[in-house]
Amino acid sequence: AQKITQTQPGMFVQEKEAVTLDCTYDTSDPSYGLFWYKQPSSGEMIFLIYQGSYDQQNATEGRYSLNFQKARKSANLVISASQLGDSAMYFCAMREDNTNAGKSTFGDGTTLTVKP
Amino acid sequence: DTEVTQTPKHLVMGMTNKKSLKCEQHMGHRAMYWYKQKAKKPPELMFVYSYEKLSINESVPSRFSPECPNSSLLNLHLHALQPEDSALYLCASSQGGRGAGRAFFGQGTRLTVV
Repeated sequence: AQKITQTQPGMFVQEKEAVTLDCTYDTSDPSYGLFWYKQPSSGEMIFLIYQGSYDQQNATEGRYSLNFQKARKSANLVISASQLGDSAMYFCAMREDNTNAGKSTFGDGTTLTVKP
Repeated sequence: DTEVTQTPKHLVMGMTNKKSLKCEQHMGHRAMYWYKQKAKKPPELMFVYSYEKLSINESVPSRFSPECPNSSLLNLHLHALQPEDSALYLCASSQGGRGAGRAFFGQGTRLTVV
């Protein structure tokens, strides 16, 4: 069974600094996808970044990058140059590729607060 | 702008009411999902429709009844709910089949049962 662990319930970062949100996962499927979503207080789940298990390079999307360490089964999100608007809950999620219709498993989330 | 549209955004209903949540997407996705999310918790999968057929029901009580009238629409019919059913209900869609891509989420419906 797949499992996602986010060990940081809450994180604080100073505006303009970088922050790393931790995510570890467990799966027996060799083919899977890892996702990060941002959820502000409005409730919408906003897709940030995706890493496939066979991708050779770490994914990057603007200020977001994913530090993928396959042997350690970790997929940490790095946000560079934090902005006040980055304050939100962040979820790491995984989907095993042998699963029909993209059933994803979510971690418990990390609440990020950006301080001015 | 979100590509998955949910209505209504907010809903207050009594325990004897019948109401429906609606979700629409026009991305040609063949998989659609309902999630329930309590405050400060991760989303919990309720139902998955794949090619308009119910493929996963995560042991959801029968007071929640999903419906997929066509490939673009997904409804969640609510009847005789309990106060503990108050939550954010998220709809999502993705490409169908194995290894399907990421899920696109709607803005959610905040449901309060009184």
